[in-house]
Amino acid sequence: SAVISQKPSRDICQRGTSLTIQCQVDSQVTMMFWYRQQPGQSLTLIATANQGSEATYESGFVIDKFPISRPNLTFSTLTVSNMSPEDSSIYLCSVDGWGNPNYGYTFGSGTRLTVV
Amino acid sequence: DQQVKQNSPSLSVQEGRISILNCDYTNSMFDYFLWYKKYPAEGPTFLISISSIKDKNEDGRFTVFLNKSAKHLSLHIVPSQPGDSAVYFCAAASQGAQKLVFGQGTRLTINP
Repeated sequence: SAVISQKPSRDICQRGTSLTIQCQVDSQVTMMFWYRQQPGQSLTLIATANQGSEATYESGFVIDKFPISRPNLTFSTLTVSNMSPEDSSIYLCSVDGWGNPNYGYTFGSGTRLTVV
Repeated sequence: DQQVKQNSPSLSVQEGRISILNCDYTNSMFDYFLWYKKYPAEGPTFLISISSIKDKNEDGRFTVFLNKSAKHLSLHIVPSQPGDSAVYFCAAASQGAQKLVFGQGTRLTINP
């Protein structure tokens, strides 16, 4: 399975600022996914990022708040913009298992964001 | 609309016994079901999956059972070990959509 390096692992940010989270994969992958896990909650998909096209956002998430880049098949970034305390969460990137969910998706170690 | 539900937020099991984690779903279009294990400060780790055409899949100490008529799946861990203490997430996906829909998680504690 793929190995994902996610940075930063944690950060404390002031409200109104932005944070960019990076995910580097050790192999080329078609689809990358960005999830959010709010305190005590499940993992919720923010968007799906394909190389060379606009990211596809889930209901409740918009590009202005969570812009995503996918410049190549091994790298993606998620920016959390104009942050508020409600954005305090763990953000995770994930890659698909050779296009088949049955193989299991691999996750990065997550970015724990605290907005003060 | 919570399509995947884990109704037990926590479970405590004695070491060596069987741990049974349960998951219910509402969307009959799901093709795959997966279980993930998550330690604090780490990302979820894939454990085992099952496709909708099967009713059982086994991998070592882990077995997943799927009851499509009841829209219910369960993860059995036997024997349970202290290292199994973690949060377990049930997830589901459709072949076409490929994105994962997660349950709320169950915190499993294995007591010595």
